[in-house]
Amino acid sequence: GDSVTQMEGPVTLSEEAFLTINCTYTATGYPSLFWYVQYPGEGLQLLLKATKADDKGSNKGFEATYRKETTSFHLEKGSVQVSDSAVYFCALSDPGGNEKLTFGTGTRLTIIP
Amino acid sequence: EPEVTQTPSHQVTQMGQEVILRCVPISNHLYFYWYRQILGQKVEFLVSFYNNEISEKSEIFDDQFSVERPDGSNFTLKIRSTKLEDSAMYFCASSVSSGIETQYFGPGTRLLVL
Repeated sequence: GDSVTQMEGPVTLSEEAFLTINCTYTATGYPSLFWYVQYPGEGLQLLLKATKADDKGSNKGFEATYRKETTSFHLEKGSVQVSDSAVYFCALSDPGGNEKLTFGTGTRLTIIP
Repeated sequence: EPEVTQTPSHQVTQMGQEVILRCVPISNHLYFYWYRQILGQKVEFLVSFYNNEISEKSEIFDDQFSVERPDGSNFTLKIRSTKLEDSAMYFCASSVSSGIETQYFGPGTRLLVL
């Protein structure tokens, strides 16, 4: 079945550092790919998404490119801020009739000033 | 901005008791979902609901679980006889349509079964 493998955490970075959180997937079809973020005490919020190969999703300085050849959707940000501290979840949705999201384990990111 | 709301935020119950978790999806959304996250584990899909019936469910969603949309706004998850292993964060989500459309999540209900 479908699965998402996400970089183990927690990750601690200094402010203005470069961020990469790795995500790879296994799916039978051509899934849509998502990054969700969960700030402390809040629900999951969509950060960005990409629906086909070579698409780049971006939002709030974060980017991820849908790489079919490596089945990856790594999250990057050039300069992180303290306010980016949260848990980040990679997820996929198989458009082949299934509606469910399949999530990775989540990566806890802490940014220190 | 419209948002999905969930009540209660926390619930503590005794093993064997029934619990009902409540969700108010975004008003023009047609697809509704429940997910759960056991502490330290992945967010797992439980069930999706459309047009007043279950459209997909996972193997976790056994006979102890049920969902209902009792009126035009609420979407509930009932656990008939809770077990210790039902302790988790339960998330409700909704979307305009299925597939590639964004699912919007509520803040979750933390359920603790003693």
